[in-house]
Amino acid sequence: AQSVSQHNHHVILSEAASLELGCNYSYGGTVNLFWYVQYPGQHLQLLLKYFSGDPLVKGIKGFEAEFIKSKFSFNLRKPSVQWSDTAEYFCAVNPNGGNTGKLIFGQGTTLQVKP
Amino acid sequence: DAGVIQSPRHEVTEMGQEVTLRCKPISGHNSLFWYRQTMMRGLELLIYFNNNVPIDDSGMPEDRFSAKMPNASFSTLKIQPSEPRDSAVYFCASSSRRGYTFGSGTRLTVV
Repeated sequence: AQSVSQHNHHVILSEAASLELGCNYSYGGTVNLFWYVQYPGQHLQLLLKYFSGDPLVKGIKGFEAEFIKSKFSFNLRKPSVQWSDTAEYFCAVNPNGGNTGKLIFGQGTTLQVKP
Repeated sequence: DAGVIQSPRHEVTEMGQEVTLRCKPISGHNSLFWYRQTMMRGLELLIYFNNNVPIDDSGMPEDRFSAKMPNASFSTLKIQPSEPRDSAVYFCASSSRRGYTFGSGTRLTVV
């Protein structure tokens, strides 16, 4: 079945550690890819998105993600996490491309950063 | 711009009661989405509308759920009758070519 998979369900890091969250999708054709963050008790906010061009995408708050088409992956990275990055992170795919149409989300990864 | 507005923020109801969740999308956005978030299933797309027309309702769990979008500025998600397993956070989102915006969600508890 077509889906979005996030490999890590719960990640615990110390401040200043590096972060990489995995995301794989199983849709073929042109897709657009997104990472969202949800801070406790809040709504989803866009971290970054990939539509085309440079496969290394830079987002807000020092986050970046790399699109590897051959691996159907869009992993999120941050070189040095902060306590304030504690949140839930969602990878999402628009299987039809564009900024309209439905977004399919992965299960989410809970990141806990210890001060 | 006030963003996507959902009401109520919290709803506690008894099993068997009708529940109506409301959403006001961002003006000018032509697509609207209803998502349900639970610990077990994550974020599930229930239904989405394009230009007020339902496009994909395959995620609606069963006939107890219904959604309407009578005009470009308002949508409702109704559960009748509600059951404890419907307890979740329900998010509305709207989108345009510029991107997607999510509302703050409605936390529904059915007891």
